[in-house]
Amino acid sequence: EAQVTQNPRYLITVTGKKLTVTCSQNMNHEYMSWYRQDPGLGLRQIYYSMNVEVTDKGDVPEGYKVSRKEKRNFPLILESPSPNQTSLYFCASSPGQGLGGYTFGSGTRLTVV
Amino acid sequence: KQEVTQIPAALSVPEGENLVLNCSFTDSAIYNLQWFRQDPGKGLTSLLLIQSSQREQTSGRLNASLDKSSGRSTLYIAASQPGDSATYLCAVHNAGNNRKLIWGLGTSLAVNP
Repeated sequence: EAQVTQNPRYLITVTGKKLTVTCSQNMNHEYMSWYRQDPGLGLRQIYYSMNVEVTDKGDVPEGYKVSRKEKRNFPLILESPSPNQTSLYFCASSPGQGLGGYTFGSGTRLTVV
Repeated sequence: KQEVTQIPAALSVPEGENLVLNCSFTDSAIYNLQWFRQDPGKGLTSLLLIQSSQREQTSGRLNASLDKSSGRSTLYIAASQPGDSATYLCAVHNAGNNRKLIWGLGTSLAVNP
């Protein structure tokens, strides 16, 4: 089954403790991205990657890092999480050049206390 | 700068009604437009994808139209059911370097038995 897999689904952590949210897709998609969703603000892009070793900032990149060492994986790293990063996070992938739609992971609900 | 607006923000209807959700966007330079469904606190399920060269797409009781020149899309839901209750999100896939999705804030739909 074609899918984007995110882990974990839920995470509660403390301020400053480094964490990684994993994302993997099995569709050989070139493009992957991370979004966060907050009430009243909608979905905002954090980082994106157009292919292996090619990543760039989205609209709200502060406090996040990403890497794309393999085509299928695109982890999101929070080096020193803060309470304002409490949010619902989504990973997405799509074929290149607008050839198809986006497929989203099931989401990761992160709480930073 | 692309902006996406969804009207109405919330809608409550009795079961069985046909209904229309609206999405408008300001820049016609798009690859495609995608409609998603989101249940409370859950992931994003893709409903319909309309490429920029297409006028409409249908899936079961759902029909989405696209008028790129006027910057409008509508999602038509026939014979609504309580199980259709969810938030419906419209996302425009911007043409350009980032290829990111620009999101509306959604229409929250409640279908009452």
